[in-house]
Amino acid sequence: KAGVTQTPRYLIKTRGQQVTLSCSPISGHRSVSWYQQTPGQGLQFLFEYFSETQRNKGNFPGRFSGRQFSNSRSEMNVSTLELGDSALYLCASSLSVSGRLGEQYFGPGTRLTVT
Amino acid sequence: AQSVTQPDIHITVSEGASLELRCNYSYGATPYLFWYVQSPGQGLQLLLKYFSGDTLVQGIKGFEAEFKRSQSSFNLRKPSVHWSDAAEYFCAVGAPQGGGNKLTFGTGTQLKVEL
Repeated sequence: KAGVTQTPRYLIKTRGQQVTLSCSPISGHRSVSWYQQTPGQGLQFLFEYFSETQRNKGNFPGRFSGRQFSNSRSEMNVSTLELGDSALYLCASSLSVSGRLGEQYFGPGTRLTVT
Repeated sequence: AQSVTQPDIHITVSEGASLELRCNYSYGATPYLFWYVQSPGQGLQLLLKYFSGDTLVQGIKGFEAEFKRSQSSFNLRKPSVHWSDAAEYFCAVGAPQGGGNKLTFGTGTQLKVEL
């Protein structure tokens, strides 16, 4: 079974631009979560989508948004990029249902650099 | 609110020596606990998890962890470290019910293995 895939793997953007990252979960997984990893703040939860609905949201500004499609693939969007948005963005998928926490499987991440 | 503390930022051990990485959590009840490993430029790989039951859990790559409720700890151990174990290790906590798949991570412990 294929693992979690994320595209693109690397991205360079300029301040003020917007960016869209994509995540394809493991087949059969309906939950997709997004995390931001930076040297200063570590791993921080952005949001989780389950069956096309946002189920959880972390403490990030509204510039960070996401969505999930009917095939469980998810995208996250960051608008008006700032230098501080440079990070590794990780996506995780889970088989868990009915609100219970399950095992999460992470993708390789997208390395975003904002210049 | 839940939180995780990994007191050791860096640890260096000799190949063949035993290893213990510390993790303390803060949560109002019994949480679900995880250990992940991250190699440079990679995503996170799940080593093991504790949901309930036996407090000593076995994981992949010869790792084990022990849940100690009285100490709010979930320390990771390995009897004999291999050079390939050099990586960053993250402890994470999540709410068993009602929190979806949101994980709160510790700041990580960087493991260096001396040959």
